[in-house]
Order: sequence, then C-alpha cells, then structure tokens
Amino acid sequence: NAGVTQTPKFQVLKTGQSMTLQCAQDMNHNSMYWYRQDPGMGLRLIYYSASEGTTDKGEVPNGYNVSRLNKREFSLRLESAAPSQTSVYFCASSETLAGGYRQYFGPGTRLTVT
Amino acid sequence: TQLLEQSPQFLSIQEGENLTVYCNSSSVFSSLQWYRQEPGEGPVLLVTVVTGGEVKKLKRLTFQFGDARKDSSLHITAAQPGDTGLYLCAGVKDYKLSFGAGTTVTVRA
Repeated sequence: NAGVTQTPKFQVLKTGQSMTLQCAQDMNHNSMYWYRQDPGMGLRLIYYSASEGTTDKGEVPNGYNVSRLNKREFSLRLESAAPSQTSVYFCASSETLAGGYRQYFGPGTRLTVT
Repeated sequence: TQLLEQSPQFLSIQEGENLTVYCNSSSVFSSLQWYRQEPGEGPVLLVTVVTGGEVKKLKRLTFQFGDARKDSSLHITAAQPGDTGLYLCAGVKDYKLSFGAGTTVTVRA
C-alpha cells in the first residue's frame, strides 16, 4: 500500500507558466482534497472531491482548477502561475469508519514561482 | 481569518521538560484532531477528540477537549528529541478540516 502519492516532489515555474500536480491514492477512498501550506498559516483547503465525478471549492480556490479523473486520481492545475502560488501543496484522501473520520496526506509538492 | 488559533507559535525546550500546546476555536466543530508533521512530509493524525471534557492519552502525549468543545490542549511529558515537529490542530465539520497555523516544537538533546 503506497497510500497517497504525489508528483512531482519539487517544481520551479516562471510567472505565467502552467502545470498540473498529480495525486493518486490506493486506499479506495471516496473523498480527496487539495491543500496549500504557507509559513504561519497552516493548511488551507483549495478544492475537494467528495466522490468520483464531483468537485467543490474550498477556502482558497482562485487560480486553480481540479479534475477528479477516476476514484484513484485527483489532479490540481495552475493555468497561469503567479508568485503568490509559491507554496507546498498537499493532497489527501479520507475515510469514515466506526473509529471516526480520518484524512491521509501525501508527501507534498514544493512549488516555487519566480 | 483563522478559525482555530494555536499558541505558542514556536516552542523550544530541553529534553526531559514538559510542554503544552493550545488550540482555541471561534466555532464548535463536530470533532477536533491533532496532527504531527515532520519536515518534507505530510501531516499524520495523532488523535481525534469528540466529547466535551474528553481526555485521551497516547504514551507521553495527553490531549484534552474543553467542556464547550471550542478549545483543546496537547501536553507532552518528559519530551524527547523525537517529539520535534510541527503540531497542528484541525476542526472537523462536514467531512472537511479547518487547520490552525501550527506550533513548531523543538526538543534539544
């Protein structure tokens, strides 16, 4: 079980360039999430997908788009990168069992926009 | 505006000392979670507290949930260098998490 995997691990973009961050989970979870983490601000939710075929905006969606490709994969796209999007991006998936609700996080993608 | 306020932002202590991290919310969540994050990795769930007044223990870590379910604390007894990391509290609502800004804990050998 790889859990939640993210690619790439590091990326440097110039302002205006586009890119897609990839995320996959092998735990058969219905819900998936994209967060960004900035110093002193914790993790903020960008977009989430409660189930395959649905996506919804989170707290900070501007400048991003997402695609839930299938149950396993949830990608995040930056169409025209800006320096303000320099951050560490985390993907997560979640499960709800008798023991409660839990999110599992990937290792993150460190993005720098110059 | 952060819904969850954590304090302190940074904490540096000597091995063997005790420490407490606080998490205060302006809202009531269905439950509150504590995560630990190490450099270069994603957060990992430590505990979930659900009931007001609840106390949970995980080895040397003690988690408390306030009676009004709006505040929580994490207490580490006899801290070790392996406890070094970023500690995050998160409120659970509608199957989504709202995170505090985190407390960076450094335990010096």
